Amino acid sequence: TQLLEQSPQFLSIQEGENLTVYCNSSSVFSSLQWYRQEPGEGPVLLVTVVTGGEVKKLKRLTFQFGDARKDSSLHITAAQPGDTGLYLCAGVRSNDYKLSFGAGTTVTVRA
Amino acid sequence: ETGVTQSPTHLIKTRGQQVTLRCSSQSGHNTVSWYQQALGQGPQFIFQYYREEENGRGNFPPRFSGLQFPNYSSELNVNALELDDSALYLCASSSNRGRNTEAFFGQGTRLTVV
Repeated sequence: TQLLEQSPQFLSIQEGENLTVYCNSSSVFSSLQWYRQEPGEGPVLLVTVVTGGEVKKLKRLTFQFGDARKDSSLHITAAQPGDTGLYLCAGVRSNDYKLSFGAGTTVTVRA
Repeated sequence: ETGVTQSPTHLIKTRGQQVTLRCSSQSGHNTVSWYQQALGQGPQFIFQYYREEENGRGNFPPRFSGLQFPNYSSELNVNALELDDSALYLCASSSNRGRNTEAFFGQGTRLTVV
């Protein structure tokens, strides 16, 4: 059983549309990170959130950490083909040391 | 470019053989974690090394072992390879045993067991 549940598993949208990816858990995390991974490559860190209710923006990407620090979301505005990839959320629980990953959301943006 | 490098990038081994994968951590980082990522899944934690000692282990059998060297680079060794060991193996570099710090990944080693 995954500690972090991501939804949806797959997402295919047209260029210019918006999308949201969700990451949920019953556990509390001291920090949560979002990564994007291209096929055959390692995950690339996009953002880290540490405070409940925190919102971070990275150009067209908006990341939110839930108030209880159990869930997070990634919203992409006006998606572009370059946003295509596997989006992974990963968290470190309090008093833990390892990153626990969700199964990932595969996003395809069609031109 | 994260500064975390892994070698080799691709490897094909036969069932029953042994393999060693290598990882150079980012400058200033003293913690290396290893992950296994099967196709279509998220990375699964194998173990972590901090200052040359194993600092924690996931649900992997003892034939998965590792080392960390004084320069904080690391090796992952897998004995008696099985077909299910075919996966992308990732190492992540961080500091302070990963607590309250960010982890940066290498490009991975794609292992195929035939």
